[in-house]
Amino acid sequence: GQSLEQPSEVTAVEGAIVQINCTYQTSGFYGLSWYQQHDGGAPTFLSYNALDGLEETGRFSSFLSRSDSYGYLLLQELQMKDSASYFCAVRDTGRRALTFGSGTRLQVQP
Amino acid sequence: NAGVTQTPKFRVLKTGQSMTLLCAQDMNHEYMYWYRQDPGMGLRLIHYSVGEGTTAKGEVPDGYNVSRLKKQNFLLGLESAAPSQTSVYFCASSYSPDEQFFGPGTRLTVL
Repeated sequence: GQSLEQPSEVTAVEGAIVQINCTYQTSGFYGLSWYQQHDGGAPTFLSYNALDGLEETGRFSSFLSRSDSYGYLLLQELQMKDSASYFCAVRDTGRRALTFGSGTRLQVQP
Repeated sequence: NAGVTQTPKFRVLKTGQSMTLLCAQDMNHEYMYWYRQDPGMGLRLIHYSVGEGTTAKGEVPDGYNVSRLKKQNFLLGLESAAPSQTSVYFCASSYSPDEQFFGPGTRLTVL
């Protein structure tokens, strides 16, 4: 099976940088995805890493280290609208579905 | 394009009643998924489909059934609703399992 760990809550101020970590255990790793969900809304896809390294998409970046079974989502120049829950999700090799972590609730303060 | 739509948006059931949730997508995606999300928790996979006419069990399939008779539709059925099935249900579709597009959700309460 798969298991993921991420912090339950993170607080940061507007304009700052925040990093949300995710560690995982899987029997055969394929890739790590990140999703954002605002209160009352649906999850939306942010990024995907299959190989080691950093992927950048605007203010958001995602990092993966396969050898450490670890990844993180980096949010720069935080804005109030970034207040949301962030989920990491893994896919095993040979499986065509994701397993989601419990989510990290990010609160951005003025 | 409407993307992923879910019907109904809200529903209240009594214990033992049955119902079907409908998910429709207009993006010609092969993969479709049903999740449930309970307060303060992540998404748990109920069932999924990798193509028309196929279905597979996820992490929490008990008490639910699904059908994918048409590529664009994925139905989730509750045969005999229980209070433990009170949740928000999300449907998703995708070309790749890693980048999924979610519908707006169905909020179900079972009394």
